[in-house]
Amino acid sequence: QVQLVQSGAEVKKPGSSVKVSCKASGGSFNNFEITWVRQAPGQRLEWMGGIIPIFGTTKYAQEFQDRVTITADESTNTAYMDLSNLRSEDTAVYYCARGTGWYFENWGQGTLITVSS
Amino acid sequence: EIVMTQSPATLSVSPGERATLSCRASQSVITNLAWYQQKPGQSPRLLIYATSTRATGVPPRFSGSGSGTDFTLTISDLQSEDFAVYYCQQYHNWPPFTFGPGTTVDIK
Repeated sequence: QVQLVQSGAEVKKPGSSVKVSCKASGGSFNNFEITWVRQAPGQRLEWMGGIIPIFGTTKYAQEFQDRVTITADESTNTAYMDLSNLRSEDTAVYYCARGTGWYFENWGQGTLITVSS
Repeated sequence: EIVMTQSPATLSVSPGERATLSCRASQSVITNLAWYQQKPGQSPRLLIYATSTRATGVPPRFSGSGSGTDFTLTISDLQSEDFAVYYCQQYHNWPPFTFGPGTTVDIK
């Protein structure tokens, strides 16, 4: 069973960038899509975008289009989500998830990103 | 963007009883709807996709129904491990995929 293991929590300054990693442990991404979803404190889940690693094709939510870059390294079975120009409202738990690209079957453990001066 | 709403916000249920959760989409999503369960401090878990298909390992006490704009997740014979927050998600019209605000099922 493939598990998704994410990088650890970080505290960032406003205006800076953060790069969160998501590694498939015990398997590979295969043909699945890797999606990034975030959850601000007490808020609903929010889809940010996704990538199909074998093709490198990406899709993004318009809200994040200018600030987020999702990449994947098939050789290490690792996906990355890079979010720039951070603001306090970006404080959230960031999840990666593997699935069909429409619904999300396997989730990482989440990475807390705190944006604070 | 399709806006998802859920009701009630909180549902208090006794173990062994049935819980009925509602999800509504601002426009038709046909049957392109999924449900997730999230327990405190944990990641979401896929329960149901395509409105009524249970994900691998999900017990049959979880069932989904509906089409168009109105959907229901029913949990029969509630177990202690079922007390959690439940989110619906549409994947008919994207980007973006959108989630509901969640329904908290707690112990009565």
